[in-house]
Amino acid sequence: QKEVEQNSGPLSVPEGAIASLNCTYSDRVSQSFFWYRQYSGKSPELIMSIYSNGDKEDGRFTAQLNKASQYVSLLIRDSQPSDSATYLCAGKTNSGYALNFGKGTSLLVTP
Amino acid sequence: EAEVAQSPRYKITEKSQAVAFWCDPISGHATLYWYRQILGQGPELLVQFQDESVVDDSQLPKDRFSAERLKGVDSTLKIQPAELGDSAMYLCATSGTSGNNEQFFGPGTRLTVL
Repeated sequence: QKEVEQNSGPLSVPEGAIASLNCTYSDRVSQSFFWYRQYSGKSPELIMSIYSNGDKEDGRFTAQLNKASQYVSLLIRDSQPSDSATYLCAGKTNSGYALNFGKGTSLLVTP
Repeated sequence: EAEVAQSPRYKITEKSQAVAFWCDPISGHATLYWYRQILGQGPELLVQFQDESVVDDSQLPKDRFSAERLKGVDSTLKIQPAELGDSAMYLCATSGTSGNNEQFFGPGTRLTVL
């Protein structure tokens, strides 16, 4: 099992809807998690970090962490076409500070 | 706004040639990472520096890759000789000392090996 796993998608949602992106992780990944957005041909951009169980909200974004289920999610409310990108879930390794990334989920928001 | 700088942005080379990538971290960021991202995959760590010291290079193909951060500031990643399978995006990321390990990426170098 890879340390961090994501469904590659594509996930297609209509404009204005809620997009839900999910990620699971193994025991080898610690309890710090990050969501990055990556537009095609560009580098990853940090959009959310979450360290403790529960929800964390920032504008239209909500990150959720469930340690018991080893599950992290990102909700995007009022999705816009500009949100169309690949979303990378990453967790900090237990042995250091490097991040383990999932393959990313491709999100397409249709007008 | 503080940003991670990388150069070149694009590099096309022939196999067996040498290539080098440069990264300048956000000022004050002691930890620097080089990642490689193959199309359709997430970034994978090649090497991690804390100041000028290598913390983790277990995934660096040392027969052809080398990395240095001599003064603990900017860093260079070199490939010699380049192989077709090295075609990828090479990303530099840095993080500060706040303990939350938020990593910020530079624009990356897109390498194409012909």
